Amino acid sequence: QVQLQESGPGLVRPSETLSLTCTVSGASVRSGSYFWSWIRLPPGKGLEWMGQIYYSGRTNYTPSLKSRVTISVDTSKNQFSLKLTSVTAADTAVYYCARVYDSNGFYYFDYWGPGALVIVSS
Amino acid sequence: QSVVTQPPSASGTAGQRVTISCSGSSYNIGDNSVNWYQQVPGTAPKVLIYFNNQRPSGVSDRFSGSKSGTSASLAISGLQSEDEADYYCASWDDSLNGYVFGTGTKVTVL
Repeated sequence: QVQLQESGPGLVRPSETLSLTCTVSGASVRSGSYFWSWIRLPPGKGLEWMGQIYYSGRTNYTPSLKSRVTISVDTSKNQFSLKLTSVTAADTAVYYCARVYDSNGFYYFDYWGPGALVIVSS
Repeated sequence: QSVVTQPPSASGTAGQRVTISCSGSSYNIGDNSVNWYQQVPGTAPKVLIYFNNQRPSGVSDRFSGSKSGTSASLAISGLQSEDEADYYCASWDDSLNGYVFGTGTKVTVL
């Protein structure tokens, strides 16, 4: 079965870079039918889509974070990663990685990781 | 601040039918399919409805989705205590060139 698992530091200092990796099992990030996304849930707020990547390296980012976000893919390790620079307390959230099923331009998130809590604090 | 809005809360007694609305624009819901996700606090979201009205295998037929114009709705019939959760609609947005989630609705079983 398809499984995704987030990993990375749970505490990041303000102004530094948040880095998370999503390891995929039971599916290949090389598959042409899927994109790979990062989504976050700040405390007391709603879900926010951050961006996605295709195995070819093509990316889309949400406009509000575009200047600070980079998503990359490592097909040899079947992983994809998130980097968010210049973090502040507002970036404290549970971060989820998810697979996006693409059917001729219709999309939905079909598998999610369990989530990783990242706290931004000095 | 999401461009897709939902009521912050909805409630009902066990066995009742509850409907959650999702209002967007021609850039998102009006031109793309809508998906619905259920999130029990402390757990990852789970897809309930995809492509406006399709249920994944394993999802109860008590959940149903519909879309009309720039709005969509999720109906939960025969409300059960296990349905207490946060519910989000989501759609692709052509102007943002990305996904947008609705503001989320907390469902409470009274």
